[in-house]
Amino acid sequence: RKEVEQDPGPFNVPEGATVAFNCTYSNSASQSFFWYRQDCRKEPKLLMSVYSSGNEDGRFTAQLNRASQYISLLIRDSKLSDSATYLCVVNPNTGTASKLTFGTGTRLQVTL
Amino acid sequence: DAGITQSPRHKVTETGTPVTLRCHQTENHRYMYWYRQDPGHGLRLIHYSYGVKDTDKGEVSDGYSVSRSKTEDFLLTLESATSSQTSVYFCAMRGGVSNEQFFGPGTRLTVL
Repeated sequence: RKEVEQDPGPFNVPEGATVAFNCTYSNSASQSFFWYRQDCRKEPKLLMSVYSSGNEDGRFTAQLNRASQYISLLIRDSKLSDSATYLCVVNPNTGTASKLTFGTGTRLQVTL
Repeated sequence: DAGITQSPRHKVTETGTPVTLRCHQTENHRYMYWYRQDPGHGLRLIHYSYGVKDTDKGEVSDGYSVSRSKTEDFLLTLESATSSQTSVYFCAMRGGVSNEQFFGPGTRLTVL
């Protein structure tokens, strides 16, 4: 089983739609969770950290379910500019080095 | 956003030649990382550094070495490049309240 698993997509949605991505992780001791966004041929950029109580940043909402070892990202009112690959990232907390484990990403294509 | 840079941005080399990639940060962060990104694998950690002259291996370290003689510079060396090392290489530094990582723009390396 992969340490971090994501549906690769692509998710094709019309502008204005709501779309949700899910991610599961295998290490129950993991402490930190993130969503990164990666545009084609660019570096990953931090979208948001994911907190136990869930958190929201504008149109983006992240949720964490520790019991099920599951993270989600909800994007409301999708924009064309949201088209990108979304990486689920977990810190498995093996030591102080914060060696992150990355999912392979979920591709989102928002269309007119 | 330009707190971390990489050079060169693109490189084409031949099998058996040595290659050095440079990562430079201006944020005085202690932790730095080298990743490679390949289709279907996501980002995989090659080596990381937790201070000047302090480095350790990641999950795909074979064929790579690193050096960190100054806080701001982290070098990745392929002693004798192979075609399997054709990839996109990203450098990252650790910072932020949740110890998230911030990435450089990447280096596209092709080994013929």
